[in-house]
Amino acid sequence: TQLLEQSPQFLSIQEGENLTVYCNSSSVFSSLQWYRQEPGEGPVLLVTVVTGGEVKKLKRLTFQFGDARKDSSLHITAAQPGDTGLYLCAGRQEYGNKLVFGAGTILRVKS
Amino acid sequence: DSGVTQTPKHLITATGQRVTLRCSPRSGDLSVYWYQQSLDQGLQFLIQYYNGEERAKGNILERFSAQQFPDLHSELNLSSLELGDSALYFCASSVLTGGEQYFGPGTRLTVT
Repeated sequence: TQLLEQSPQFLSIQEGENLTVYCNSSSVFSSLQWYRQEPGEGPVLLVTVVTGGEVKKLKRLTFQFGDARKDSSLHITAAQPGDTGLYLCAGRQEYGNKLVFGAGTILRVKS
Repeated sequence: DSGVTQTPKHLITATGQRVTLRCSPRSGDLSVYWYQQSLDQGLQFLIQYYNGEERAKGNILERFSAQQFPDLHSELNLSSLELGDSALYFCASSVLTGGEQYFGPGTRLTVT
């Protein structure tokens, strides 16, 4: 059973479209991180959100942490082929300090 | 480039064998984490070391062990290898335990 559920598992869209990836849990996290991973490479940290309700923007990417710190979303505006990759959310458990990863969302942006 | 280095990049070995994966953390990072990534299990936390001492354990098999040396590099030892151990193995490092983790490029292990 995944502690963090990511949806959708796979997303194939056209260049220029918008998309949202969701990360949900019944557990509360002290912080939540989003990573992007390309084939054959390690995950690259995109952002860390810490406060419930926090919104962070990174160019065309908008990250939101739920008010209750149990869920998060990643919204990409005007997707580009370079956004293609595996997007992983990871929550830091309040007790024990471990980082728990979701199964990931595979995004493919077609030109 | 995250600053975390891992060697080797690829490793092909037979069942029953033993291998050692090596990781050098970013300069200044005291904590090292090992993860296993496979298609069916996703990214699974194995073990964490902080300044030479084991700090946390995840889903690490008894056939696997790790250590962190005084120069802070870490090694993951996998023994009595099985076909199911084929996966990508990532090392990550952070300044402190609980800090943001930066991942290395990984070692792809293939057990035949």
